[in-house]
Amino acid sequence: RKEVEQDPGPFNVPEGATVAFNCTYSNSASQSFFWYRQDCRKEPKLLMSVYSSGNEDGRFTAQLNRASQYISLLIRDSKLSDSATYLCVVAFSGSARQLTFGSGTQLTVLP
Amino acid sequence: DVKVTQSSRYLVKRTGEKVFLECVQDMDHENMFWYRQDPGLGLRLIYFSYDVKMKEKGDIPEGYSVSREKKERFSLILESASTNQTSMYLCASSFTGYPYNSPLHFGNGTRLTVT
Repeated sequence: RKEVEQDPGPFNVPEGATVAFNCTYSNSASQSFFWYRQDCRKEPKLLMSVYSSGNEDGRFTAQLNRASQYISLLIRDSKLSDSATYLCVVAFSGSARQLTFGSGTQLTVLP
Repeated sequence: DVKVTQSSRYLVKRTGEKVFLECVQDMDHENMFWYRQDPGLGLRLIYFSYDVKMKEKGDIPEGYSVSREKKERFSLILESASTNQTSMYLCASSFTGYPYNSPLHFGNGTRLTVT
């Protein structure tokens, strides 16, 4: 079983739709959680950190469920520019070494 | 804004060549990383460094070595390039956050083709 698992998609949604991705992790000692966005042939860029109480940044909402060991990303009012691959990243300790990436979920927003 | 710069965007090398990939960051970050990214396999950590002259093996260090002589620069070395090292190589940096990790900042990648 992979340490961090994501549904690879692709998710194809119309503009304006709401879409949600989940990411499950296997290590209950995980401490830090992030969502990254990666455009085609570009480097990953931090989208948002995920805090225990959940957090929001504009149209993006991240949630953490420690009991069920998953994090989620909700995108409201999807834009064409949201088309990208979304990577879930989980850190298992305070060590910089212990960052594990999911394989990513591909999102395409259609006009 | 953090800037992580990789020396080459595209590189084509022959089997058996020694290859150097260079990475420089301008934010005085302690940690620097080398990943490779392959379709279906995601990002895999090759090596990372948490201080000058310090390094740790990642998940796939075989066939690679690294050098960190200065805090801002982290080099990945392919001692004898092989075709299975054809990949996208991504450098990243972060500061040391404890107990919570700080996020990574990536360079724009080097697409290496070994023929």
